[in-house]
Amino acid sequence: GENVEQHPSTLSVQEGDSAVIKCTYSDSASNYFPWYKQELGKGPQLIIDIRSNVGEKKDQRIAVTLNKTAKHFSLHITETQPEDSAVYFCAASDRGGKLIFGQGTELSVKP
Amino acid sequence: SAVISQKPSRDICQRGTSLTIQCQVDSQVTMMFWYRQQPGQSLTLIATANQGSEATYESGFVIDKFPISRPNLTFSTLTVSNMSPEDSSIYLCSVYGTESLKNYGYTFGSGTRLTVV
Repeated sequence: GENVEQHPSTLSVQEGDSAVIKCTYSDSASNYFPWYKQELGKGPQLIIDIRSNVGEKKDQRIAVTLNKTAKHFSLHITETQPEDSAVYFCAASDRGGKLIFGQGTELSVKP
Repeated sequence: SAVISQKPSRDICQRGTSLTIQCQVDSQVTMMFWYRQQPGQSLTLIATANQGSEATYESGFVIDKFPISRPNLTFSTLTVSNMSPEDSSIYLCSVYGTESLKNYGYTFGSGTRLTVV
């Protein structure tokens, strides 16, 4: 089945800097790759997603890139703000439509 | 996107008892899933809730421990049976919409925070 690896597990940046989180997946048939933000005490919230027929997608300060050949995708957050501090999860949708998650990245943005 | 109501939001239960968690969606959805998130960990898929038939369980999860029902396209329940402290986790319902909602991806409820004492 699908396996998703996520790095780094923790990331600390200064406010205004960029943050990059990387994920790799194992199943070449996976075709949907969302990113979730989870704040303390809340459920995961979808922040951006990308499908396998697209190489890059951007939404304001957030962007996701996908390299199907290498089977990896990345989340890029520019001009980080303290409210971006949270745990971020990548995921991949396997052949059966199930979402398999990475291990999570705890992002801390210091003012 | 679909709006999910998950109940209860939290509970403290005695070991050996069972708890049923409800997931209600405001629109018909194609797929419903149940996840477990242990403290400080990622989300692990328990099972896919199938409408009108038995759920499909992932490796390591069995129906006797986590019975699931899905009587229609908007509602599902997960029961955590014969609980032990190791079952203390957040349990999350997730849905994937019908054709009109598919662009919203997979939506999660706010979770049920279960503590077993």
